[in-house]
Amino acid sequence: EIVLTQSPATLSLSPGERATLSCRASQSVGSYLAWYQQKPGQAPRLLIYDAYKRATGIPDRFSGSGSGTDFTLTISGLEPEDFAVYYCQHRSNWPNTFGQGTRLEIK
Amino acid sequence: EVQVVESGGGLVQPGESLRLSCAASGFIVSTYWMTWVRQAPGKGLEWVANLNGDGSVVNYVDSVKGRFTISRDDARNLLYLQMNSLRAEDTAVYYCARAREAIDVWGQGTTVTVSS
Repeated sequence: EIVLTQSPATLSLSPGERATLSCRASQSVGSYLAWYQQKPGQAPRLLIYDAYKRATGIPDRFSGSGSGTDFTLTISGLEPEDFAVYYCQHRSNWPNTFGQGTRLEIK
Repeated sequence: EVQVVESGGGLVQPGESLRLSCAASGFIVSTYWMTWVRQAPGKGLEWVANLNGDGSVVNYVDSVKGRFTISRDDARNLLYLQMNSLRAEDTAVYYCARAREAIDVWGQGTTVTVSS
C-alpha cells in the first residue's frame, strides 16, 4: 500500500497570503495524484487531478505541481472560504489511499 | 444535474448488517468507476471499495474484505454497499462517489454507527 504523508498537519495563515501544502508518496505514483478540499459537515470537493489539472469551476489561485513522490498544492492569495482541510489522494494502484490531511486555519 | 444521494445509514449493533444505497442522477453508473469512501468521526478519508463500469473489476480495502460487497442495479441506476459483520471501527460517514481521473462527484454522505 502506498502511504501519502501530508505536511504540515496544520498551517496558520492570513487571508491574502500564499499557502503551500505538501504531499509525499512512499513510492512513485507518477502523476496520478489529486487534491480535495473539505469543509466541516461537507463532502470533499475535487480541486486538482493528475497532479496539476484544475477541476471544473476551481479558481486559478489553486495550482498543483509535482510528479513521482513529491507533490505540492499552492493557493495564491488566500480567500476566507479557502480555510478548510485539504487531502491528497493517488490512483496509481489499489488501494487508492488518501493522505491524512492538512488543516489550513486562519491566523 | 449530476449528483448522487446516499441512504440506508443508521445505528446497528456489532455483528449486524446494513445495506447502503446510492441513487445517481444525471449520469449512468454503469459507464463509470463508482466507489464508496468513508470517514470516521474526526478522522481522514478512507477508500472502501470500488467497481468499474462493466462490473469486471471490484476492489476492497483489506479491513472490509469478506464482509462488504459493492454492487450495482443498472436498471435503476443504483449503487449499493452491503455491509455484514459490522464492527465498531466501521462507524463512519459513508460517501458514494463517481471516480474518473479522481473523485469528481460526491454524495452528502450517510452515517453508520456501530455500537452496543
